[in-house]
Amino acid sequence: GIQVEQSPPDLILQEGANSTLRCNFSDSVNNLQWFHQNPWGQLINLFYIPSGTKQNGRLSATTVATERYSLLYISSSQTTDSGVYFCAVQTGANNLFFGTGTRLTVIP
Amino acid sequence: NAGVMQNPRHLVRRRGQEARLRCSPMKGHSHVYWYRQLPEEGLKFMVYLQKENIIDESGMPKERFSAEFPKEGPSILRIQQVVRGDSAAYFCASSPPVLAGETQYFGPGTRLLVL
Repeated sequence: GIQVEQSPPDLILQEGANSTLRCNFSDSVNNLQWFHQNPWGQLINLFYIPSGTKQNGRLSATTVATERYSLLYISSSQTTDSGVYFCAVQTGANNLFFGTGTRLTVIP
Repeated sequence: NAGVMQNPRHLVRRRGQEARLRCSPMKGHSHVYWYRQLPEEGLKFMVYLQKENIIDESGMPKERFSAEFPKEGPSILRIQQVVRGDSAAYFCASSPPVLAGETQYFGPGTRLLVL
């Protein structure tokens, strides 16, 4: 199956700092989603972004499908941004393949 | 428009008992997916269902696990004779009818603990 790698695996930021999370995938995809899993375990949809760039408040994402990677930008980080960020891709009409995640800790 | 609903949110079972996890998709969604998340890991696909049909169960363990999505009512993931290794968070997702690639919306998950 398709391989999805995320980096870095762990990230510690001071509140207010910016960060970039990366997702590499090994094959062509027709769906790519970014999720935030908060400390209570809830999965929150951030972006549906098989290609191009989207922005939502302090978050933005870019997917370069031809080069098989996606980036998630977090600006002016807040403690509530802490949690695990997952990238997930889909190659057909079926399931999502998840990466192993980036664990973000934002300290005040 | 209510999101994906899962119940129970937490379930405790003793080894050998049965666990039944329920998922109601978003209104208008006819595709349901089940994923399992072991502690400190990412989510892994288990099964993909449409109403009354199992489309892809390539991620389901061969024994003790089954899933259904009847014409009426929620999708059910059933685990028979649970073992400690079944302890995990089980997430359900739904999407509208698709040809290829569509946003999947996730429920809050059911956390199963096997004693």
